[in-house]
Amino acid sequence: NAGVTQTPKFRVLKTGQSMTLLCAQDMNHEYMYWYRQDPGMGLRLIHYSVGEGTTAKGEVPDGYNVSRLKKQNFLLGLESAAPSQTSVYFCASSTATGDYGYTFGSGTRLTVV
Amino acid sequence: AQSVTQPDIHITVSEGASLELRCNYSYGATPYLFWYVQSPGQGLQLLLKYFSGDTLVQGIKGFEAEFKRSQSSFNLRKPSVHWSDAAEYFCAVGGDAGKSTFGDGTTLTVKP
Repeated sequence: NAGVTQTPKFRVLKTGQSMTLLCAQDMNHEYMYWYRQDPGMGLRLIHYSVGEGTTAKGEVPDGYNVSRLKKQNFLLGLESAAPSQTSVYFCASSTATGDYGYTFGSGTRLTVV
Repeated sequence: AQSVTQPDIHITVSEGASLELRCNYSYGATPYLFWYVQSPGQGLQLLLKYFSGDTLVQGIKGFEAEFKRSQSSFNLRKPSVHWSDAAEYFCAVGGDAGKSTFGDGTTLTVKP
C-alpha cells in the first residue's frame, strides 16, 4: 500500500544548483499536484497535471518546471535553486473528479544555502 | 477566486475536552470541502470531506464537521480530545481540475 512516494526526503543545495524531485503514485490517479509548505503560509500550489503529458501552472510556478511523461510519475525540477525555494515540498494525487480529496506523499525538505 | 480562512493559528485544549476548529471558505459554487491533519514531519492525511448531501459528515479518528452554507463555514469538531490528536489541521476547498486551496492551518496542543 505505497500510495504516493516522494524522493528524496531531504536535500541541501547550493544556490544555482539544479535538482529534480520525483513523485510516484500507484493508485492510477489522473490528477497530480506539487505544493510547497512554508511556516504560517499553508500549502501553495506550484504546478499540477490532469493527465499524462499535460501540465499547468499553479499559484507559485516561477523557478520550477514539471513533467508528466508517465501517468504514475510527476517530476518537479529546479533549474537554478535560490534560497527562497527553501521549503517542504509535497506531492499529492487525486481521482479525476477531485471530490475524494488528496493522497499526499510524506514530503521533501529542501534547503538552499 | 476560492479561498479558505482558519481564524485560529493555535488552540490548546485539555485531554478529554471537546474541540472545535473553525474554517470559513469563499467559493462561487457548491464547494468540495476537506479537513486534513498533519503530524510533525509527516504528510497530510485526509480526515473527512463534504461535497453534497448530509451537512454533518463523519470522518476518521472520531472527527466530524458541519457544513453551513449560510455562514460559509465548515467547522471541525471532536467530542473528547486525546493526546494523540495534537497536530496541525488544515481546511481546504476544492475547485476546478481538482485543485484545492488550503487555509494556513491551526496547530492543536493537548494538555494532559
